[in-house]
Amino acid sequence: DIQMTQSPSSLSASVGDRVTITCRASQGISNYLAWYQQKPGKVPDLLIYAASTLQSGVPSRFSGSGSGTDFTLTISSLQPEDVATYYCQKYNSAPLTFGGGTKVEIK
Amino acid sequence: QVQLVQSGAEVKKPGASVKVSCKASGYTFNTYGISWVRQAPGQGLEWMGWISAYNGDTHYAEKLQGRVTMTTDTPTSTAYMELRSLRSDDTAVYYCARKATGQPPHYWGQGTLVTVSS
Repeated sequence: DIQMTQSPSSLSASVGDRVTITCRASQGISNYLAWYQQKPGKVPDLLIYAASTLQSGVPSRFSGSGSGTDFTLTISSLQPEDVATYYCQKYNSAPLTFGGGTKVEIK
Repeated sequence: QVQLVQSGAEVKKPGASVKVSCKASGYTFNTYGISWVRQAPGQGLEWMGWISAYNGDTHYAEKLQGRVTMTTDTPTSTAYMELRSLRSDDTAVYYCARKATGQPPHYWGQGTLVTVSS
């Protein structure tokens, strides 16, 4: 099975900072990569699919890139409401494995 | 609007079974699949499996094979996930999510807390 590895597992940044989270697949998955945001105590929310397509309603400060095995989620200017844990997920074929998550906090 | 409403919290003893329901509305039920995902306390998201509401095809996570069964009931637009031989490490919030072919899971249920404790 393909493994999904996220890094870092946590980060602390200041409001307005540019934040980058990476996700690496153990084998190529083309662009079948999604990013989810989960705020504390809430249901996961789809942010990005097809590696770089922003879900409707998601602020434009979020962006995704990558293809094959290496992917990136970028928050161009971190806001207080972005405090959450972010997960990547492959969805090209079963199993639809998640990355381990990246917890984002405000410094 | 698309909504997935799950059944309420459950407390089970080790060795018992639990069946969580996920009632869909706002779309044609049998044109999408349903993914199930769980999250143990303080832990990350774990994909459990997927069922096609069109033809009942299933894919289960290898670690749950033999203990999990996913089903759907088209007349009531409801999906079910049954987990048997429960252990303490099955304690988690269980989520259902609608999934289209070639798309990631989107539109999630509110989650169902299953607690396994003697």
